[in-house]
Amino acid sequence: GIQVEQSPPDLILQEGANSTLRCNFSDSVNNLQWFHQNPWGQLINLFYIPSGTKQNGRLSATTVATERYSLLYISSSQTTDSGVYFCAVGKKAAGNKLTFGGGTRVLVKP
Amino acid sequence: DGGITQSPKYLFRKEGQNVTLSCEQNLNHDAMYWYRQDPGQGLRLIYYSQIVNDFQKGDIAEGYSVSREKKESFPLTVTSAQKNPTAFYLCASSTDGQGLPRDQYFGPGTRLLVL
Repeated sequence: GIQVEQSPPDLILQEGANSTLRCNFSDSVNNLQWFHQNPWGQLINLFYIPSGTKQNGRLSATTVATERYSLLYISSSQTTDSGVYFCAVGKKAAGNKLTFGGGTRVLVKP
Repeated sequence: DGGITQSPKYLFRKEGQNVTLSCEQNLNHDAMYWYRQDPGQGLRLIYYSQIVNDFQKGDIAEGYSVSREKKESFPLTVTSAQKNPTAFYLCASSTDGQGLPRDQYFGPGTRLLVL
């Protein structure tokens, strides 16, 4: 199956700092999503981005499908950005399912 | 409000006992999914269903069973055959655009503990 690797595994930021999270995947994909899991376990979909660039407020994401990676940018980080960020990918030929990476755990300090 | 509800929030299982986790959605989504999350790990797919009365095994289906009798409901049973069931269980749903799950929405999860 598809392998998904996220880096770094842990990230500590001072409030107001910018950061970049990376997701590498081992095969071509038709679907790529970024999620945020808050400290209480709730997952929120941030972006559906199999290719190209999208922005939503202080968050933006870029996927370079031909080179099999995606980046999530957090600008002017806030304490509410703390949690775990997951990248998940899907390939139509592999059935209707997503494969998740191990996540990047982010802590934003005030 | 539209969304996904899971119950109970916490569930305790005794040895040899089957337990059922509830998942209900009112988003009118066709597809529903069950994931397992172990501490400090990513999510792994247990089962998924694209339409009523049909479901497929995910990557870790052994020891679990599901049913999809209604579009809104996708209960998961953790059987006694699952030897290490302690985990956080997440249900999700999505529209099924072109055969791929877009924009998955997640419920709040159920934490299962073995006594």
